[in-house]
Amino acid sequence: ETGVTQTPRHLVMGMTNKKSLKCEQHLGHNAMYWYKQSAKKPLELMFVYSLEERVENNSVPSRFSPECPNSSHLFLHLHTLQPEDSALYLCASSQARSARRDSPLHFGNGTRLTVT
Amino acid sequence: GQNIDQPTEMTATEGAIVQINCTYQTSGFNGLFWYQQHAGEAPTFLSYNVLDGLEEKGRFSSFLSRSKGYSYLLLKELQMKDSASYLCAVSEVTGGGNKLTFGTGTQLKVEL
Repeated sequence: ETGVTQTPRHLVMGMTNKKSLKCEQHLGHNAMYWYKQSAKKPLELMFVYSLEERVENNSVPSRFSPECPNSSHLFLHLHTLQPEDSALYLCASSQARSARRDSPLHFGNGTRLTVT
Repeated sequence: GQNIDQPTEMTATEGAIVQINCTYQTSGFNGLFWYQQHAGEAPTFLSYNVLDGLEEKGRFSSFLSRSKGYSYLLLKELQMKDSASYLCAVSEVTGGGNKLTFGTGTQLKVEL
C-alpha cells in the first residue's frame, strides 16, 4: 500500500482515442505531480499542482491535459497521442516543500501506456 | 540546469556490500534523494541528505559531500530482494520553487 493509487495500471489506446489517467492520494499531502518514465531515460516532470493550483508545466504538449479537482485527486487527460508517448506515467504527492529542506515524493505504481 | 551522473548497471553478491555513486552539478542545492524502484513498481523513498556526512538507516546508508557534488548509497548485507533500480535525485531551489531532477538510475543485480 503506497498511499498513492493510480488507475488503470495498463492502457492501450489508438492515436485518435481520448482517455484519462486517475491518481488518488490518501496521505494528506498538498502537492501532486505527474512524471513520465521512459526506458533508459530519467524521470521527467510533466506537471505540478500545489494547493490545487498548477505551478509548473514543463513544456508538455497540449495533447496532455492535467486536472486537479481537489488536493487528493489528479487526472491526466490524453487525446490524439503519438506512439512516442508510450511510457510509464507516474503520479506522486508530497507535503509542502521549503527552500531550506525538501520533502520526499510518494509515488503511485504508475500507468503503463501504449499508443498504437 | 543540472547534470546528474550515476552508473547504469552494477552487479554484487548476496551478503556483500555495494556502493552506488552519484555526482551532480547544480546551483541552489536543496538536498539529494535516493529512491529504490523494483520493476513494475513505484519508486520508494530511501534517504534524503541536505548536510554533508553520512546518514544511516538500517542496512542502507547515504553520504553527501556538497563541495564535491557527490553522494553515494551504501547497501550492506545484500539480499536478493535488493535487486532493483536506484535513483539519485537532486533538489534545486529556483524562482518557481523546488525543482527535483532525477538521474537515469542504477540497475543493481544481486547474485547468489
